[in-house]
Amino acid sequence: EAGVAQSPRYKIIEKRQSVAFWCNPISGHATLYWYQQILGQGPKLLIQFQNNGVVDDSQLPKDRFSAERLKGVDSTLKIQPAKLEDSAVYLCASTPLGGWTGELFFGEGSRLTVL
Amino acid sequence: KQEVTQIPAALSVPEGENLVLNCSFTDSAIYNLQWFRQDPGKGLTSLLLIQSSQREQTSGRLNASLDKSSGRSTLYIAASQPGDSATYLCAGIYGQNFVFGPGTRLSVLP
Repeated sequence: EAGVAQSPRYKIIEKRQSVAFWCNPISGHATLYWYQQILGQGPKLLIQFQNNGVVDDSQLPKDRFSAERLKGVDSTLKIQPAKLEDSAVYLCASTPLGGWTGELFFGEGSRLTVL
Repeated sequence: KQEVTQIPAALSVPEGENLVLNCSFTDSAIYNLQWFRQDPGKGLTSLLLIQSSQREQTSGRLNASLDKSSGRSTLYIAASQPGDSATYLCAGIYGQNFVFGPGTRLSVLP
C-alpha cells in the first residue's frame, strides 16, 4: 500500500515570495491534516479536511496561508507571502476515519527555508 | 487547554539497556494515544496506537501503556540498539484532534 506522498521535499525561497506544497494521502483515507513542525517541537495543526470539507482551520494564519482539497483526494497548501518564521517542515498526514480508531500516517514532509 | 509534555527532552544510553520514555497529558478525556518515531529529516512513523479501552500495546521490543486517570503514557524499549536512535513523539487523540508532545531525542551508543 502506497504511503502519504508529498512534494517538493525541499524548498528555499526569499521572504515575500510564494510557495505551494502538494500532498496525496493514502488511498481511501477520508481525513487529511497539514501540520507545521518547527525544529525541536512537535507538529502543530494548520488545517484538517474531512473529504473535501474543512473541519478545523482555527490555527491557520489565513492572511498568508491557504489550503484546498479538491475532490476529496489531493491537497495543496500555499503560503503567500512567506515570512522568515515560516521556515519549518510542513507535514501532511491522513487517517481513515479521524481519531476514533484510526492511526495517523505521515508523509516525509516538505522542508521550507525562507531567507 | 489540551497539552502534552514529554520527559526527558533528550536521553543517551549504552546499547543493550532497557529504557522508559514518558508522556503526560493535561486532559484526561483522551480517547486514544499514539507513539511515533521520527528520524532526522523524515516524517513521523507510527509505532503503537493505544485505544481508550486498552491499557497497553506491544510490538516487538516496544511496549506502551496508557493510564488515563494519572494522565500518563510510557513507552518501554527493551534491549536498546543503535538503530533505535531517533526522536520519539507521543500524541493524545481527542476526537479527530491529535495533540503532540515535543518529543524525546534518544541516542543509543554502541
